[in-house]
Amino acid sequence: GENVEQHPSTLSVQEGDSAVIKCTYSDSASNYFPWYKQELGKRPQLIIDIRSNVGEKKDQRIAVTLNKTAKHFSLHITETQPEDSAVYFCAASKPTNAGKSTFGDGTTLTVKP
Amino acid sequence: DTGVSQDPRHKITKRGQNVTFRCDPISEHNRLYWYRQTLGQGPEFLTYFQNEAQLEKSRLLSDRFSAERPKGSFSTLEIQRTEQGDSAMYLCASSLRDNTDTQYFGPGTRLTVL
Repeated sequence: GENVEQHPSTLSVQEGDSAVIKCTYSDSASNYFPWYKQELGKRPQLIIDIRSNVGEKKDQRIAVTLNKTAKHFSLHITETQPEDSAVYFCAASKPTNAGKSTFGDGTTLTVKP
Repeated sequence: DTGVSQDPRHKITKRGQNVTFRCDPISEHNRLYWYRQTLGQGPEFLTYFQNEAQLEKSRLLSDRFSAERPKGSFSTLEIQRTEQGDSAMYLCASSLRDNTDTQYFGPGTRLTVL
């Protein structure tokens, strides 16, 4: 089955700096890669996603890049703010699994004011 | 609130008891997923439904676990003879079967087995 590894497990940055979280996946058939933000005690919220037919997608301060050949994708947050502090999860899914997602173990991001 | 809802939000039970959780998906979504999340881990897939049909079950789902979605709308997850290892957050998500299959999560039910 699919295996998703996520690094780093914790990340601390100063407000205004950039943060990068990386994930690798094992199944080359995976074609959908969402990123979720989960604040303490709350539900995972989709923040951005990318499909395998594009290499990069951007939404304001958040961007995701995908390297299909290397089977890795990354989340980039620029101009970080304290409210970006949360746990971020990457996931991978493929069409034959009807959207069932395999998640990474999460990255705890702390943005220091 | 038109998002995914789950009930109860918290459940404390004694080992050996049965518990049942409910999930109400976004109304037009025909796919419904159950995940389990433990501290420091990402959500782990348990099972999913397309309309009322349960199409896949993870091997994590032992015989003590059963899920239903009788009318293709809300779903229930029952755990029989609970064990301490069942303590976790149980998350439900739903999606619309289209070319995105984007999943939207509910707030979860936190189960504590004493």
